[in-house]
Amino acid sequence: GAVVSQHPSRVICKSGTSVKIECRSLDFQATTMFWYRQFPKQSLMLMATSNEGSKATYEQGVEKDKFLINHASLTLSTLTVTSAHPEDSSFYICSARDPPRDTEAFFGQGTRLTVV
Amino acid sequence: AQTVTQSQPEMSVQEAETVTLSCTYDTSENNYYLFWYKQPPSRQMILVIRQEAYKQQNATENRFSVNFQKAAKSFSLKISDSQLGDTAMYFCAFGLFVQGAQKLVFGQGTRLTINP
Repeated sequence: GAVVSQHPSRVICKSGTSVKIECRSLDFQATTMFWYRQFPKQSLMLMATSNEGSKATYEQGVEKDKFLINHASLTLSTLTVTSAHPEDSSFYICSARDPPRDTEAFFGQGTRLTVV
Repeated sequence: AQTVTQSQPEMSVQEAETVTLSCTYDTSENNYYLFWYKQPPSRQMILVIRQEAYKQQNATENRFSVNFQKAAKSFSLKISDSQLGDTAMYFCAFGLFVQGAQKLVFGQGTRLTINP
């Protein structure tokens, strides 16, 4: 199956700093990637849809200036949490779409962000 | 907007028993997909089974099968001969193509524990 790699798996940063999370499709080209956020013991909430070469589409209530998404190539999308605060601490998961297999989303391993 | 509801926050069964997880959804769309994802303690999302809404036949994957009732907007997952490795969070998800990309809406999840 298609492999999506997310890095780092865990990151701790200080309040006010920015942190970048990478999502890579290893064996396919992903024209579209999705970023989710998962609070403890809760479901995945879609934050934004990332399209290669264009601006990301953010879900209602997601601050686009805080969560910067860049999808500069067909195999890489990045999520940058800017000026992080403790309330941004969460589990972030990306998924990618492999066009020949549109009906299945392939997920990264997730990144646990802790802001101290 | 689409919503997905899983009414069972937690379930627990003995190994080798059969267990059914419930899921209902709400949509005005006619063409969509439904999924069950498993999230073990590693937090990696794993596709268990998927169902195309236009197909009347219920999907099956080895020990996993669904009961898809389109009119009732119900999509339950049955796990037969449950195994210890089935212990995980299970998420029901609704998939809809929006601007060429399939967005997923997840239910709240059911924490399933298989006891030895």
